[in-house]
Amino acid sequence: AQKVTQAQTEISVVEKEDVTLDCVYETRDTTYYLFWYKQPPSGELVFLIRRNSFDEQNEISGRYSWNFQKSTSSFNFTITASQVVDSAVYFCALSEALGSQGNLIFGKGTKLSVKP
Amino acid sequence: SQTIHQWPATLVQPVGSPLSLECTVEGTSNPNLYWYRQAAGRGLQLLFYSVGIGQISSEVPQNLSASRPQDRQFILSSKKLLLSDSGFYLCAWSVERSYEQYFGPGTRLTVT
Repeated sequence: AQKVTQAQTEISVVEKEDVTLDCVYETRDTTYYLFWYKQPPSGELVFLIRRNSFDEQNEISGRYSWNFQKSTSSFNFTITASQVVDSAVYFCALSEALGSQGNLIFGKGTKLSVKP
Repeated sequence: SQTIHQWPATLVQPVGSPLSLECTVEGTSNPNLYWYRQAAGRGLQLLFYSVGIGQISSEVPQNLSASRPQDRQFILSSKKLLLSDSGFYLCAWSVERSYEQYFGPGTRLTVT
């Protein structure tokens, strides 16, 4: 069965600290996709990244970076030099090419608070 | 560019009253459409999805229903609301299943 686990319910850091949000997934498919979304206090989910299971290269986008490791079924998200505007709930999600009809399976989210 | 709209933004309804939430997408054709509910525990629950006009799949049995009368319009309805229907309702669209979904601003529903 497919599952996404975000073990960190809440994280609090001080501005400029680096922070890593963990995501562990379970799937039997060999082809699947992983996602991260940000939900600021306004409520709208903002798409951040999509990676497919065949591409294990790490990705960097500004202060954001993602570490995909198939060996540990993890897709962790790091924010470097965090800012107050990074405060939000972050969701990791999984989509299987064949299973669950391609729908996204979300983790329960990690609430990140960045204090000035 | 594509945009997704939801209305109303907030709604307070008494138990037993009907519900109609609307979602429309602009700038794309034949999108996959989704309704999610997010309760106080923050988790996202997929309620319905649609791959085309008149095609609705339900993920969770409940007193809610969905319809897709037009290609880019997705409606969430209920004949009689329950207290447990309170939550934050999000509509989303994607080009194809397994691809990233783009979410609307959401409707905050409080059933009193």
